[in-house]
Amino acid sequence: DVKVTQSSRYLVKRTGEKVFLECVQDMDHENMFWYRQDPGLGLRLIYFSYDVKMKEKGDIPEGYSVSREKKERFSLILESASTNQTSMYLCASSLQYEAFFGQGTRLTVV
Amino acid sequence: AQTVTQSQPEMSVQEAETVTLSCTYDTSESDYYLFWYKQPPSRQMILVIRQEAYKQQNATENRFSVNFQKAAKSFSLKISDSQLGDAAMYFCARIQGAQKLVFGQGTRLTINP
Repeated sequence: DVKVTQSSRYLVKRTGEKVFLECVQDMDHENMFWYRQDPGLGLRLIYFSYDVKMKEKGDIPEGYSVSREKKERFSLILESASTNQTSMYLCASSLQYEAFFGQGTRLTVV
Repeated sequence: AQTVTQSQPEMSVQEAETVTLSCTYDTSESDYYLFWYKQPPSRQMILVIRQEAYKQQNATENRFSVNFQKAAKSFSLKISDSQLGDAAMYFCARIQGAQKLVFGQGTRLTINP
């Protein structure tokens, strides 16, 4: 079975903390994505990666960075968490025009 | 910029009836892929149906079918014989560029027993 695993389902962090959201896929997919999901706004693309060490900005990259040192792992980094980054974060990987998603991380920044 | 638009934030339907969810999109490409995803309360995104733009025939998966109008850039999802398990958020999406998946705002579907 295809699997995309996000390290945490729920996370509470303080303003100003550095936050790491981890995503691992076991399908040897080249493409991986980080989305942010907010009510009424759908899923907005933060960053995506089409190969190891390669990354491209999505629609809302401000305040975020990413790391992809190994093919199976794609990390989203909030350098200095702020309350407006409280949201649901979804990771996905894709191959041949089909994307597979993790279960989501609900991040609350207090 | 949002290039996929779902104009119905919420829809409801009686169990066993048919409901149609709307989606429109922007593109200058002639060949692309369109998708409907379902997100139940578990938050796990599930692919419902996929349509390839160069195929004129509308995609169908059991009770789920699409009405793909390429010239109008419209891609609606029809759910027949609605079941309680169909209750979820539904997202329309399009492949943009090199496999970048772009989503609409979502439609919350409620099934009334």
